Amino acid sequence: GENVEQHPSTLSVQEGDSAVIKCTYSDSASNYFPWYKQELGKRPQLIIDIRSNVGEKKDQRIAVTLNKTAKHFSLHITETQPEDSAVYFCAATTGYSTLTFGKGTMLLVSP
Amino acid sequence: DVKVTQSSRYLVKRTGEKVFLECVQDMDHENMFWYRQDPGLGLRLIYFSYDVKMKEKGDIPEGYSVSREKKERFSLILESASTNQTSMYLCATGTSGYEQYFGPGTRLTVT
Repeated sequence: GENVEQHPSTLSVQEGDSAVIKCTYSDSASNYFPWYKQELGKRPQLIIDIRSNVGEKKDQRIAVTLNKTAKHFSLHITETQPEDSAVYFCAATTGYSTLTFGKGTMLLVSP
Repeated sequence: DVKVTQSSRYLVKRTGEKVFLECVQDMDHENMFWYRQDPGLGLRLIYFSYDVKMKEKGDIPEGYSVSREKKERFSLILESASTNQTSMYLCATGTSGYEQYFGPGTRLTVT
């Protein structure tokens, strides 16, 4: 089955810096790659996603890149703010519309 | 706006009890999912359903069962609760386009 590895497990940055979280996947048939943000005590929320026919997607301060050949994708957050502090999860499709999730990255943005 | 609700936010049960967790969605989504979330392990899929009365095992189905008698409702059943099932349980719904939307979660403690 699909295996998704996510790095780093924790990431501390200063406000205004950029943050990058990386994921690799194993199943070359995967074609959908979402990113979820989970604030403390809240549900995971979809923040951005990318499909296999696209190499990059941007939404304001966040962007996701996909390298299908290398089977890795990354989340980029620019001009980080304290409210970006959360746990971020990447995922990849595994068929039947199911997702396999990475173990998560705790991002801490210090003022 | 997708609305996914779960029957309880917090639940405390004794070892050996039968436990029911219920999830209700109002968006007419075909797919529904149950995950458990543990620190350092990310979100792991327990069971999912892509239609009424249909169910499929996820990655960690042992000790659990599910029921989907109506499209909007998906129940997770712990036949005989054990302490290693203490966890956060998250329900999600989705379409065949892979996006998933999560409920608020139920934090279950088994003593």
